[in-house]
Amino acid sequence: DADVTQTPRNRITKTGKRIMLECSQTKGHDRMYWYRQDPGLGLRLIYYSFDVKDINKGEISDGYSVSRQAQAKFSLSLESAIPNQTALYFCATSDSGGRGRTYEQYFGPGTRLTVT
Amino acid sequence: KNEVEQSPQNLTAQEGEFITINCSYSVGISALHWLQQHPGGGIVSLFMLSSGKKKHGRLIATINIQEKHSSLHITASHPRDSAVYICAGGSQGNLIFGKGTKLSVKP
Repeated sequence: DADVTQTPRNRITKTGKRIMLECSQTKGHDRMYWYRQDPGLGLRLIYYSFDVKDINKGEISDGYSVSRQAQAKFSLSLESAIPNQTALYFCATSDSGGRGRTYEQYFGPGTRLTVT
Repeated sequence: KNEVEQSPQNLTAQEGEFITINCSYSVGISALHWLQQHPGGGIVSLFMLSSGKKKHGRLIATINIQEKHSSLHITASHPRDSAVYICAGGSQGNLIFGKGTKLSVKP
């Protein structure tokens, strides 16, 4: 089974709808991240969480919210979807560094979201 | 100016060629990451390095901290190496990504 899973893998929704993307991990990592990828722009950070009680905005958080329900689960919500939120969304996890541990990031398979 | 820049943007090579992808960064980082994104979209981490050089199979990554520059080399390239290669610089896990280099290796 994959270490980092995302659901759904593909979603088409209409403008104004609320949508939630979910991410689960079995790596036991403290840190979780949500990115979006747009053609020609690369990956950009939306939100990140260093532990269950520590959530931080990234570069492009407007229009998004997140919830860290448990160490293993980190959800991304679009409260009222708009067409320019059409993108490929990735969840990732990493350890928190320290002796013998690294910040290497492990990515989920991605969710392709289309807002019409 | 982007904080992490890669070159070239696109690269086409013949099977067996030696390939170099470059990454320059202008931000302070504690580590430089190289990632590979497969044509199907999945992203895997290839290297994370903060100094010197790392090697894994036919892939070699180097970093020069003073010059704020890293390179990813692929020896004896193969069509299965065709992918987008992404460098990212970060501190304590928060990464700023380059836009990627799309590599196509022809048989």
